[in-house]
Amino acid sequence: DAKTTQPNSMESNEEEPVHLPCNHSTISGTDYIHWYRQLPSQGPEYVIHGLTSNVNNRMASLAIAEDRKSSTLILHRATLRDAAVYYCILNTNAGKSTFGDGTTLTVKP
Amino acid sequence: DVKVTQSSRYLVKRTGEKVFLECVQDMDHENMFWYRQDPGLGLRLIYFSYDVKMKEKGDIPEGYSVSREKKERFSLILESASTNQTSMYLCASSSQARGTDTQYFGPGTRLTVL
Repeated sequence: DAKTTQPNSMESNEEEPVHLPCNHSTISGTDYIHWYRQLPSQGPEYVIHGLTSNVNNRMASLAIAEDRKSSTLILHRATLRDAAVYYCILNTNAGKSTFGDGTTLTVKP
Repeated sequence: DVKVTQSSRYLVKRTGEKVFLECVQDMDHENMFWYRQDPGLGLRLIYFSYDVKMKEKGDIPEGYSVSREKKERFSLILESASTNQTSMYLCASSSQARGTDTQYFGPGTRLTVL
C-alpha cells in the first residue's frame, strides 16, 4: 500500500490559517487522497478528499500538487475546536486505506 | 447521519480470557473495518470485511479473528487476550470499495488486559 508522510506536530494561532502538508510520493494514478481528523476521545472523522483538482468544502480546502506526490490541507481560520490529530491517507479502489501517525495540531488562543 | 456504535467504551479483561468487541452500523454499508490505535503507531488495520461472511486480513491480524454473520454487525474476537493487546480499538464502515468512499468511525473501545 502507498504510504503517506506527515510532520508529527504543528502549532497555529487561533483565527490564523493553517497549512498541513502531506507527502505521498508512491501514490498511484487511481488513489484518492483523503483527510480525516481525530478529536480527543473520539474516532476519526472525515474532512475532505480529492483526486487531482483542488477541493473546497465547509470544513477545509485541499490543495493537490500537479504531480500528486504531495497535498496540503488548509484550515482557513483555525479555532480551538480544530485542535486534533489530522491524518492524510490514500484510498485505493479496493477500499482499503493505510493510516499513518498523523499530525497533531495545537491551536493557541 | 451514519451511526457506528461499539458495544463498550471501556473494557477490562484478564490475560487468557476470550474477548468479543462488537460493532454495529445502521447505514447498510458493505464494508466494515477493525483498527487498533496505539501511541506513536497511528491506526493499524486488523481485519476488514466486504460482505457478509467475508473477511480479509489487514496489516496486523495475528491474535485476532472476526465474524460477520449479518451485514450490520462486525465482531472482533481475541481468542486468548494478552497484555500486548491492551489498546484502543476502532471500528469503521464504508458504503463500497471505491477510492471515493468515506469511512465512518465508531467512538472506540479502550481495552485493558491485566
